[in-house]
Amino acid sequence: NAGVTQTPKFQVLKTGQSMTLQCAQDMNHEYMSWYRQDPGMGLRLIHYSVGAGITDQGEVPNGYNVSRSTTEDFPLRLLSAAPSQTSVYFCASSPTGRSTDTQYFGPGTRLTVL
Amino acid sequence: KNQVEQSPQSLIILEGKNCTLQCNYTVSPFSNLRWYKQDTGRGPVSLTIMTFSENTKSNGRYTATLDADTKQSSLHITASQLSDSASYICVVTFYNAGNMLTFGGGTRLMVKP
Repeated sequence: NAGVTQTPKFQVLKTGQSMTLQCAQDMNHEYMSWYRQDPGMGLRLIHYSVGAGITDQGEVPNGYNVSRSTTEDFPLRLLSAAPSQTSVYFCASSPTGRSTDTQYFGPGTRLTVL
Repeated sequence: KNQVEQSPQSLIILEGKNCTLQCNYTVSPFSNLRWYKQDTGRGPVSLTIMTFSENTKSNGRYTATLDADTKQSSLHITASQLSDSASYICVVTFYNAGNMLTFGGGTRLMVKP
């Protein structure tokens, strides 16, 4: 099992550009989520999905879109990048999304917006 | 407000020594409390998970404890190794937040030879 994979590992964008961060898992997990991690702060939830075709907003959803067409993939789209979106982005998955589930994190994507 | 605060922000210890990291939370009771280890440039990896009714949980040289009276959890690392150098993150699932996780800012530990 590859676990949770993310691409790209690094990305530099100019303000106003759009891009998609890819996330895939091969563990047949129903629950997937996206977090951002900023220096000195805890991870914050952007969007999550409890299964294919179902997505919902987390704590900091503005400026981001998600979709979940398959169980395996959960891409995160930045519509018009802003410097405030400079961060490290982590995708995570868990079997069902129950609070007792272990969450498995990907290796992260470091995004810089100039 | 649901908050998780960790101390110290950073810590340097010598290889072989023990250390204790602290986590304070504001709302009680909660569904569960987790400790994660995050190596530089990697995603967090789960170390322990405790429910509100548990006092302690171990995973090898890592032992997490919970004091509900003081709203505090500790992560104790025994006989530290160079590979323990990482950030350690406390995460609480509060009842009033559904299944959403509230992350602490982490403690960055450096183990020196």
